[in-house]
Amino acid sequence: GDSVTQMEGPVTLSEEAFLTINCTYTATGYPSLFWYVQYPGEGLQLLLKATKADDKGSNKGFEATYRKETTSFHLEKGSVQVSDSAVYFCALKRGATNKLIFGTGTLLAVQP
Amino acid sequence: DVKVTQSSRYLVKRTGEKVFLECVQDMDHENMFWYRQDPGLGLRLIYFSYDVKMKEKGDIPEGYSVSREKKERFSLILESASTNQTSMYLCASSLGGSHSNQPQHFGDGTRLSIL
Repeated sequence: GDSVTQMEGPVTLSEEAFLTINCTYTATGYPSLFWYVQYPGEGLQLLLKATKADDKGSNKGFEATYRKETTSFHLEKGSVQVSDSAVYFCALKRGATNKLIFGTGTLLAVQP
Repeated sequence: DVKVTQSSRYLVKRTGEKVFLECVQDMDHENMFWYRQDPGLGLRLIYFSYDVKMKEKGDIPEGYSVSREKKERFSLILESASTNQTSMYLCASSLGGSHSNQPQHFGDGTRLSIL
């Protein structure tokens, strides 16, 4: 079945460091891909998305490119801030279904 | 902004009790979802609904049921609570039909403890 694999955390970085959180997927067809972020004590918020191969999603300095050849959707940010500390979830949605399949989440801790 | 409101942030119940978790959305969304979130497992879909009185099982429906009598409200029911249902429960909603790539909007979660 469809699945999403994320790198395990926690990821601990200093402020202004470069961030990569790896995400790979297994799916039939052409899924849409999403990154959600969960700040402490809150629900999930959509961070960015890409709906077809080679699309790049971007928001708040974060980027991710839909790579069909490597079945990946890695999240990157050039310079992280303390306020980026959160749990990040990669997710996929296949075709016209309404269901999301989530990865296990990656905790990011940014230190001043 | 879409608002998804879950009735309780924290809830403590006893084994064997019937437990109701309530979720309300204010954007006339067709789809509503219930997930549970556990460390190391991410979010797992319990049930979802794509219209009033319609429901479909997710990946882990055992021990749960749902009710959607009105479009804006989606209730999760633990028929007889057990300790392994201690978890964070998240409700979400989204547009349906031709808007299948629209994001899901989440509530802040209910942390449920079963003693």
